[in-house]
Amino acid sequence: NAGVTQTPKFRILKIGQSMTLQCAQDMNHNYMYWYRQDPGMGLKLIYYSVGAGITDKGEVPNGYNVSRSTTEDFPLRLELAAPSQTSVYFCASSYEREVDEQFFGPGTRLTVL
Amino acid sequence: GQNIDQPTEMTATEGAIVQINCTYQTSGFNGLFWYQQHAGEAPTFLSYNVLDGLEEKGRFSSFLSRSKGYSYLLLKELQMKDSASYLCAVMDSNYQLIWGAGTKLIIKP
Repeated sequence: NAGVTQTPKFRILKIGQSMTLQCAQDMNHNYMYWYRQDPGMGLKLIYYSVGAGITDKGEVPNGYNVSRSTTEDFPLRLELAAPSQTSVYFCASSYEREVDEQFFGPGTRLTVL
Repeated sequence: GQNIDQPTEMTATEGAIVQINCTYQTSGFNGLFWYQQHAGEAPTFLSYNVLDGLEEKGRFSSFLSRSKGYSYLLLKELQMKDSASYLCAVMDSNYQLIWGAGTKLIIKP
């Protein structure tokens, strides 16, 4: 099993550009999550999904959109990139939500200039 | 507001024992997690506590006191590969994880 995969690993965007961060998991997990990690701060939840076709906002959803058309894939869309979106983005998945550990992808390091 | 506090950085010697503390104030409690994160890598799961007491897993142990809003991660027989950040996270009443900023652990020979 590949686990959770993310592409790209690194990306530089100009202000106002858009892009999609890809995330896929092959563990048949119901729950998937997008986090951002900024230096000196804890991970912040952007969006999460409890299954195909169902998504919900986390703590910091502004400037992002998600979709979940299949169990495996959970892409994160950035529209009109801003310097405040410079961060490391992690996708994660878990089978259950309550007591189950989350498995993380390797991350995407995004810089907006 | 919700808050997780951990020391920013700790230093320990190879072969020694270190205790990393975590205090929390959250809206509800559905468990506390510890994750390890090496520099430039993804977090990986270490432990989960939902009841008071100590959970032991090899060289790592995690303790929880719900009444005090307090947990610690105990690392024994430290190895150089234990140099990493250790993240404390609490699952709140909405089953969302609230994360601390992490404790960077530096191991010296």
